[in-house]
Amino acid sequence: NAGVTQTPKFQVLKTGQSMTLQCAQDMNHNSMYWYRQDPGMGLRLIYYSASEGTTDKGEVPNGYNVSRLNKREFSLRLESAAPSQTSVYFCASRGTVDYNEQFFGPGTRLTVL
Amino acid sequence: QQQVKQSPQSLIVQKGGISIINCAYENTAFDYFPWYQQFPGKGPALLIAIRPDVSEKKEGRFTISFNKSAKQFSLHIMDSQPGDSATYFCAAHVRYTGNQFYFGTGTSLTVIP
Repeated sequence: NAGVTQTPKFQVLKTGQSMTLQCAQDMNHNSMYWYRQDPGMGLRLIYYSASEGTTDKGEVPNGYNVSRLNKREFSLRLESAAPSQTSVYFCASRGTVDYNEQFFGPGTRLTVL
Repeated sequence: QQQVKQSPQSLIVQKGGISIINCAYENTAFDYFPWYQQFPGKGPALLIAIRPDVSEKKEGRFTISFNKSAKQFSLHIMDSQPGDSATYFCAAHVRYTGNQFYFGTGTSLTVIP
């Protein structure tokens, strides 16, 4: 039972390049989330998916797109990376019962030059 | 606009002392308040959580105090240990916008032996 896994762990991009961050969970959770973590800013929600086939914007969605490929997988895509997107990205999943905790992945550290 | 305000930004405590981290919010629609612990290079992990109909919750050395009228809640770590050195985030959950969580900006705790 791996929980929430993320790939890659580290990535360096040049401005304008694109990439997809992958996330998968094996806990049969319906809800999945993408956050970014920046110093002094806490975690901010980029996008979330309440169930397979649905996605919604969070606090900071600009410059990102997401795909809920199936119940297990939720990917985050940067179409044209900008230095402002340098951050640590966390994926999380959550069960359907109210107040269930979120389980976080280990994160992806992204640097955009 | 930060939905959950957290203080202090950093905290240094002697081993055996009490660590106190405070959070405040304005949105009365918040219905669940978790605290997360994060070690360097890892994703956040749920530490303890409280619902607004309870004024205090204790789990081992960790206690949440909740003041609904003041819209404030705090984490108390009793008998702080060097292994407690980590970053702590408070958060608040709201159901009506798709079960989103809003995070505080984090507190870096250092416990000196």
